[in-house]
Amino acid sequence: NAGVTQTPKFQVLKTGQSMTLQCAQDMNHNSMYWYRQDPGMGLRLIYYSASEGTTDKGEVPNGYNVSRLNKREFSLRLESAAPSQTSVYFCASSAVGGPSDEQYFGPGTRLTVT
Amino acid sequence: GENVEQHPSTLSVQEGDSAVIKCTYSDSASNYFPWYKQELGKGPQLIIDIRSNVGEKKDQRIAVTLNKTAKHFSLHITETQPEDSAVYFCAASRGAAGNKLTFGGGTRVLVKP
Repeated sequence: NAGVTQTPKFQVLKTGQSMTLQCAQDMNHNSMYWYRQDPGMGLRLIYYSASEGTTDKGEVPNGYNVSRLNKREFSLRLESAAPSQTSVYFCASSAVGGPSDEQYFGPGTRLTVT
Repeated sequence: GENVEQHPSTLSVQEGDSAVIKCTYSDSASNYFPWYKQELGKGPQLIIDIRSNVGEKKDQRIAVTLNKTAKHFSLHITETQPEDSAVYFCAASRGAAGNKLTFGGGTRVLVKP
C-alpha cells in the first residue's frame, strides 16, 4: 500500500516548455486534489476532482489543466510554463462518505521554471 | 471564498513547554477544521481534526479547540519534544464530497532541547 505517489520528484523547465505531473493513489479514494505550496502562503488548491469523471477549478487554476484518467490517477499539466509557476506541487486524495474527511498527501514535486 | 489566517508564523519553545497556534476563518459555513504537520521534504500529514459540532478534541499531547461564534480555532501541543519540530498548517472547509480545504500560511515550530 503506497498511498499517494507523485512523479517526478524534481523538474527544471525553461519558460514556455510544457510538462505533466503524474499522481496515483491506491486507497480507492473518490476525490483527488492538486495543490501548490509557496513560502509563507500555505497550500493553495489548483484543481480538484470530487469523483471520477469530474474536475473543478480551485483557488489558483490559471495556467494549469488536469485530467482524471481513472479512479486512481489524476494528472496536472502545464502547457506553457512561467517562472511564477516555480513551486512545490502536492497531490492529495480523500474518501467520500466515510467517517473521516482526511486528505492524504503525496511527497510532492519540486518544480523550477527558469 | 474562505480565508484562513494563522499565527504566529514562527514559534520557538523549550523542550517540555507548551506550544499554541491560532487560526481564524471567514466563512461561517465552514464545518471541518483539520491540522496538518509537515516535516522537511515531505507532504503534510493530518494530526488532528475537529468538526463544528464539537468544541474541543484531544489526542494524547495534542488538543484542538474551536470557537464557532468568534470563528477561530487553536492547536495546543503540551510537553513538546524535539520531534514536534515541523511546520504546522490549519485549514477549513465545508466538508462533504470534493472537500476543498483552505489552508492557513503555516507555523514553523522549533523545539529546543
